[in-house]
Amino acid sequence: GAGVSQTPSNKVTEKGKYVELRCDPISGHTALYWYRQSLGQGPEFLIYFQGTGAADDSGLPNDRFFAVRPEGSVSTLKIQRTERGDSAVYLCASSSPSWDTGELFFGEGSRLTVL
Amino acid sequence: GQNIDQPTEMTATEGAIVQINCTYQTSGFNGLFWYQQHAGEAPTFLSYNVLDGLEEKGRFSSFLSRSKGYSYLLLKELQMKDSASYLCAVAGRDDKIIFGKGTRLHILP
Repeated sequence: GAGVSQTPSNKVTEKGKYVELRCDPISGHTALYWYRQSLGQGPEFLIYFQGTGAADDSGLPNDRFFAVRPEGSVSTLKIQRTERGDSAVYLCASSSPSWDTGELFFGEGSRLTVL
Repeated sequence: GQNIDQPTEMTATEGAIVQINCTYQTSGFNGLFWYQQHAGEAPTFLSYNVLDGLEEKGRFSSFLSRSKGYSYLLLKELQMKDSASYLCAVAGRDDKIIFGKGTRLHILP
């Protein structure tokens, strides 16, 4: 597709379970960002990739959160032992290498609900 | 580190002009963004400023002063569809992009 694709769009899980959220960026975009957004708040930075490597993972809240981008395209955000406080919309965004307009292209998000 | 401040909520009248301010502190600077986000939707790009001054794009304009760590988004000829959250974001030296909490703009008829 032409845009950033995120799956699943909705995920309901029980406390303590493991979840994976997938992001497929726009083809050719080398930068990929993960954010978490709670109701009424702005997007909270989690991690940023340039190519395959995590350029900055300082926003990951704790070691239950991990993200990979093994081939420099699709990225997966992994959350272990989920807690109710992890409930939020997880947004992925990508940008082009030249970044001349500075635009981030966002996916529609994955809404995670932990019961 | 990086810190971004913007008002939580603003109200304006259809057809009027509104200015949404944003102040920031950052280690390194690679640009300031404004995004619009309607409830339940993903943010959409409005503007990007990397140099001081005013950038105009239709009804929307964005201003940047790097020395003051200050930006504003100006919306003219307000329409009901402009009711949304407006997010100020800053790219630091390493291109890490941090968002503010957003300003919820309510447009009254």
